[in-house]
Amino acid sequence: EAGVAQSPRYKIIEKRQSVAFWCNPISGHATLYWYQQILGQGPKLLIQFQNNGVVDDSQLPKDRFSAERLKGVDSTLKIQPAKLEDSAVYLCASSLGLNRAANSPLHFGNGTRLTVT
Amino acid sequence: AQTVTQSQPEMSVQEAETVTLSCTYDTSESDYYLFWYKQPPSRQMILVIRQEAYKQQNATENRFSVNFQKAAKSFSLKISDSQLGDAAMYFCAYRSGYSGNTPLVFGKGTRLSVIA
Repeated sequence: EAGVAQSPRYKIIEKRQSVAFWCNPISGHATLYWYQQILGQGPKLLIQFQNNGVVDDSQLPKDRFSAERLKGVDSTLKIQPAKLEDSAVYLCASSLGLNRAANSPLHFGNGTRLTVT
Repeated sequence: AQTVTQSQPEMSVQEAETVTLSCTYDTSESDYYLFWYKQPPSRQMILVIRQEAYKQQNATENRFSVNFQKAAKSFSLKISDSQLGDAAMYFCAYRSGYSGNTPLVFGKGTRLSVIA
């Protein structure tokens, strides 16, 4: 089966510019996660979707970050305007979202490395 | 909220030797899973090993094994016969087991170097 696809692989922008990341989860996976991983730290959940609905966006900086999953398949994460502290790797993951976690492991993409100058 | 703590930012091991990475966590739940992930420079998160909280027996996967101490909320990873390819960031992670759409909560990671 094809894995979680993310693009672009790298992105360099200046502060105050906008940027968008794209994620295509594994086919049939109902749950999609966006994580932010700052250099030297563990991934932190930004937002979680179940199909096209938001389950948890409590850690998403909503004044500058937005995300959507309109058709319940692929998703985009946008930052506008970007700040220096947004430099990080943005990881997308997906899972089946079945009744128990044991039946729905997370599968990760290779991430997008964002550098804000 | 659940938290995961990895107190060793960096560790090193000689090739063919054994190393143990530490992890503690905090939770009030009784149904959960614990994981160790490896992240090489390619950034791909690779699942190394998984432990179900209800299982007393420690999980093992070839050269990788865990020491799960539920009462102490401790979950360490032991790598035996270390190889150069084991060099990477290692993350301990927690996941609630009550439903199929719970996220992973990660620690800050331990960078493992393997010395030839």
